[in-house]
Amino acid sequence: EAQVTQNPRYLITVTGKKLTVTCSQNMNHEYMSWYRQDPGLGLRQIYYSMNVEVTDKGDVPEGYKVSRKEKRNFPLILESPSPNQTSLYFCASSAGQETQYFGPGTRLLVL
Amino acid sequence: AQKITQTQPGMFVQEKEAVTLDCTYDTSDPSYGLFWYKQPSSGEMIFLIYQGSYDQQNATEGRYSLNFQKARKSANLVISASQLGDSAMYFCAMRVIQGAQKLVFGQGTRLTINP
Repeated sequence: EAQVTQNPRYLITVTGKKLTVTCSQNMNHEYMSWYRQDPGLGLRQIYYSMNVEVTDKGDVPEGYKVSRKEKRNFPLILESPSPNQTSLYFCASSAGQETQYFGPGTRLLVL
Repeated sequence: AQKITQTQPGMFVQEKEAVTLDCTYDTSDPSYGLFWYKQPSSGEMIFLIYQGSYDQQNATEGRYSLNFQKARKSANLVISASQLGDSAMYFCAMRVIQGAQKLVFGQGTRLTINP
């Protein structure tokens, strides 16, 4: 089954404790993105990647890092999480210009 | 700057009625794509329909159609014969920058279908 998977789905952590949210797609897509969703703000892009080893900042990259060492994986790293990074995070992938496929989302709470 | 505006924070519709969700966009790029996604209470983002800026005809996918009016920069979603399962949050989004796959989202419209 073609899909985008994210782990963990739910995470509660404390300020400053490094964490990684994994994202994997099995569709051989070149493009992958991370978004965060906050009430009243819709989804905003954090980082995106056009291929292996090619990444760039989106609209809200501060406090986040990404890497793209393999085509299928695009982990999101929070080196020192803060409460304002409490949010719902989505990973997405696409092959071309039409459809982006979203993962199931990761709900993060930073205390 | 690219922007998506959804002016209806919430809508209430009777089951089996048609519903139109409004979306206006702003971009100076002549090449762009418009998307609609559905987000049920479970949280996942479900792709509904896509319209390219150069497409001559309005996109349709089953009960979903996109009323694309390029001159007015609007891309309204029409759901025919609404069902209880259509109750969800709906987001309009625009793809900007060819090849970068960046989506700009509106704030969303919460649709509630009443029995």
